[in-house]
Amino acid sequence: ETGVTQTPRHLVMGMTNKKSLKCEQHLGHNAMYWYKQSAKKPLELMFVYNFKEQTENNSVPSRFSPECPNSSHLFLHLHTLQPEDSALYLCASSQVLGTGAEGVSTDTQYFGPGTRLTVL
Amino acid sequence: DQQVKQNSPSLSVQEGRISILNCDYTNSMFDYFLWYKKYPAEGPTFLISISSIKDKNEDGRFTVFLNKSAKHLSLHIVPSQPGDSAVYFCAASDRDDKIIFGKGTRLHILP
Repeated sequence: ETGVTQTPRHLVMGMTNKKSLKCEQHLGHNAMYWYKQSAKKPLELMFVYNFKEQTENNSVPSRFSPECPNSSHLFLHLHTLQPEDSALYLCASSQVLGTGAEGVSTDTQYFGPGTRLTVL
Repeated sequence: DQQVKQNSPSLSVQEGRISILNCDYTNSMFDYFLWYKKYPAEGPTFLISISSIKDKNEDGRFTVFLNKSAKHLSLHIVPSQPGDSAVYFCAASDRDDKIIFGKGTRLHILP
């Protein structure tokens, strides 16, 4: 319904595994985002891509590696994760608009269903 | 089927007045609710949350009210300031920690 899909929906991995999360948006947007949602904690922004260029990296450990090959696809490569990395990982996309005359522009962010990650 | 609904896509409020953003939900299993503020080309920033065991939570100029019987929550901002102009997202989660976002309401503070 939202036009943003994520695979897999559930993932269980060991600390030595390497896996990737995939996000695809079918909305023609030019910006994509990765978020981490831990239990009963506020959403944490991890990475932002505008026009395929990474514009934000909020002090995310290097064991998380994003990749944005085109404006419709976003990956999150995982390696040597820790149990505390278990969480719901959400992808989102938006259309970044130009600044309006009032100095403020808006864009609605569409979220995917998330990947529930469990690290053993 | 939208489980979290923000029926007003936009709202304009005079500076200094109260801004009230509304959110309705359909899933009675939701037990934790959050409000996020979002500026253009940035990710949402957490504002305030409320657990289903409470009906009010206040943090500075921001107050969230929860009416469980009506499955309704609202965010009050008082007094409204120019920097409050942004898109506000309502979100809800259940015991499985799945989080559902509304579509957002654009708040425009008028000078």
